[in-house]
Amino acid sequence: GENVGLHLPTLSVQEGDNSIINCAYSNSASDYFIWYKQESGKGPQFIIDIRSNMDKRQGQRVTVLLNKTVKHLSLQIAATQPGDSAVYFCAERGIYNTDKLIFGTGTRLQVFP
Amino acid sequence: KAGVTQTPRYLIKTRGQQVTLSCSPISGHRSVSWYQQTPGQGLQFLFEYFSETQRNKGNFPGRFSGRQFSNSRSEMNVSTLELGDSALYLCASSFSRGGSYEQYFGPGTRLTVT
Repeated sequence: GENVGLHLPTLSVQEGDNSIINCAYSNSASDYFIWYKQESGKGPQFIIDIRSNMDKRQGQRVTVLLNKTVKHLSLQIAATQPGDSAVYFCAERGIYNTDKLIFGTGTRLQVFP
Repeated sequence: KAGVTQTPRYLIKTRGQQVTLSCSPISGHRSVSWYQQTPGQGLQFLFEYFSETQRNKGNFPGRFSGRQFSNSRSEMNVSTLELGDSALYLCASSFSRGGSYEQYFGPGTRLTVT
């Protein structure tokens, strides 16, 4: 993958278990937060987003939680599958009238059968 | 709807050369952003274009430049290539309307500088 990185945190889960990936963001004024999944050799794939005026949003098998008090974002994946194995990034859009995203360092999710 | 496309997908250049990368956004998306991804630095914002104007720029040297055309397609150029410019260059197109916001990435161009 692109972020092999010696310091890339890794989460290992068994197939069928739930996964929780955490992210601390930097700007209390950020208005949008997005989770991306990146598989080896591919560009980041949009998973789910959440606006700053929400604290929870659900998609298909995924839930994003936003805690603005502590500037924390989490991605929950239900019934994790081998195909979920990838690097996951959180990103924040920090400034109004721009599409610049600030990315976290990423978390590698490994799913074992 | 077709996704973000980037060409070429792979490129090998030598130090001192220059390179131009191309990005075609999703139809209807007017904003294009470029990012550099390396194992050591992660995803770093390069610049953003909206309606042919650079709206935001990251902390990269002037060797990195870009532009956007009237059809929203964008190019980025890197002059006087250095070994450290080896990276995956990602283009993203964005759409924002009525509280909805989307930003989707292309597959990237893998640049290797030797």
